[in-house]
Amino acid sequence: GESVGLHLPTLSVQEGDNSIINCAYSNSASDYFIWYKQESGKGPQFIIDIRSNMDKRQGQRVTVLLNKTVKHLSLQIAATQPGDSAVYFCAENRGYSTLTFGKGTMLLVSP
Amino acid sequence: NAGVTQTPKFRVLKTGQSMTLLCAQDMNHEYMYWYRQDPGMGLRLIHYSVGEGTTAKGEVPDGYNVSRLKKQNFLLGLESAAPSQTSVYFCASSYVRSEQFFGPGTRLTVL
Repeated sequence: GESVGLHLPTLSVQEGDNSIINCAYSNSASDYFIWYKQESGKGPQFIIDIRSNMDKRQGQRVTVLLNKTVKHLSLQIAATQPGDSAVYFCAENRGYSTLTFGKGTMLLVSP
Repeated sequence: NAGVTQTPKFRVLKTGQSMTLLCAQDMNHEYMYWYRQDPGMGLRLIHYSVGEGTTAKGEVPDGYNVSRLKKQNFLLGLESAAPSQTSVYFCASSYVRSEQFFGPGTRLTVL
């Protein structure tokens, strides 16, 4: 079947490198942001979130940075592994009950 | 804890046929969502519910109906399927303004 990654921006890295995936958001009223990972044939999986009163949050091997001035979000993955290969989506909450998702970035990790 | 489950996993319909997709969650979440995902398009919200007995339209509601008769279940109906509704459908659930947990998806083909 068709891949969700068709026509997506792609980031190719070597195993062990650090990866940075970027996301621009449009609504300055957005106050909650989430990164999801989606492997082929599976549903999106929560990675990390951040609220607008923070500019950095760290998890296990992942860091999310939020720059509200330029409305930019980034996901940093340390020591990228082949298992990190997937499509990564950012999502923003604009103060309502729903999330607005970006179109995604495909991460390809070569051994 | 099964999380979010979806039934069926795959379905092929002929144009004009009807069907219902079932989503169930065992996390006692108030909010539930139906998305469709097309190649390169990210996730687009069809309908959502903020509690038992409530539903609301999302970004792409036309051609779909939903019902939330029980808190743990959210049904998505297609009354008269069209080829444009060929897609992968994801259900998600969440607490109020928190990360959404996704099901494994239903791959629907309309001939």
